[in-house]
Amino acid sequence: QITLKESGPTLVAPTQTLTLTCTFSGFSLNSREVGVGWIRQPPGEALEWLALIYGDDDKRHSPSLENSLTITKDIYRNRVVLTLMNMDPVDTGTYYCAYKMRDSSGYEYWGQGHLVTVSS
Amino acid sequence: QSVLTQPASVSGSPGQSITISCTGTSSDVGGYDYVAWYQQHPGEAPRLIIYNVDYRPSGVSPRFSGSKSGNTASLTIFRLQAADDADYYCSSYTNRRTHVFGSGTKVIVL
Repeated sequence: QITLKESGPTLVAPTQTLTLTCTFSGFSLNSREVGVGWIRQPPGEALEWLALIYGDDDKRHSPSLENSLTITKDIYRNRVVLTLMNMDPVDTGTYYCAYKMRDSSGYEYWGQGHLVTVSS
Repeated sequence: QSVLTQPASVSGSPGQSITISCTGTSSDVGGYDYVAWYQQHPGEAPRLIIYNVDYRPSGVSPRFSGSKSGNTASLTIFRLQAADDADYYCSSYTNRRTHVFGSGTKVIVL
């Protein structure tokens, strides 16, 4: 059974760096065929794709956030970490991590989501 | 990269069929058979209902059907039910090796 869960701060001050952790079980992120991505959703708004990492360390980033976003994996602790620098109130929203297979266009398993508020 | 364009809302009565469009460009929807659709109920995480244009994950009702023509993908929901009242998002792989989501469509079951 595949599960994922996001964790991290719920409140971040503007200009600070956000670090979110996705802890997963039911699979191992050591195969090029398996990936974990991050997607966020501002309150009442649409989903926004952020980043993706595969087991072979193939990384993808949203072009609009490429200079402020980092994604890494820790296969020994079954974690994927997302770092987003220079946070702004517009970055407020629910952050999801999700599992996908390389040959599939869809994220098949999702975490419950983690609400982050950016405010002073 | 721009968000894929979806209608803000689509409505239908129980038992009817509805179709949601998702318009992109040749750099995303039109260029790859890597379109997915998600259903999201309020307060919940999205749920994958279609992947690779027209494949359904295990456990998803056959009432959901996906297709694509040119730069536009479509999701059809047959025999609409009250439980289908939700937000729906499309997504696509892009020529920058990234993904992009649609603007979202609220399906209203009358």
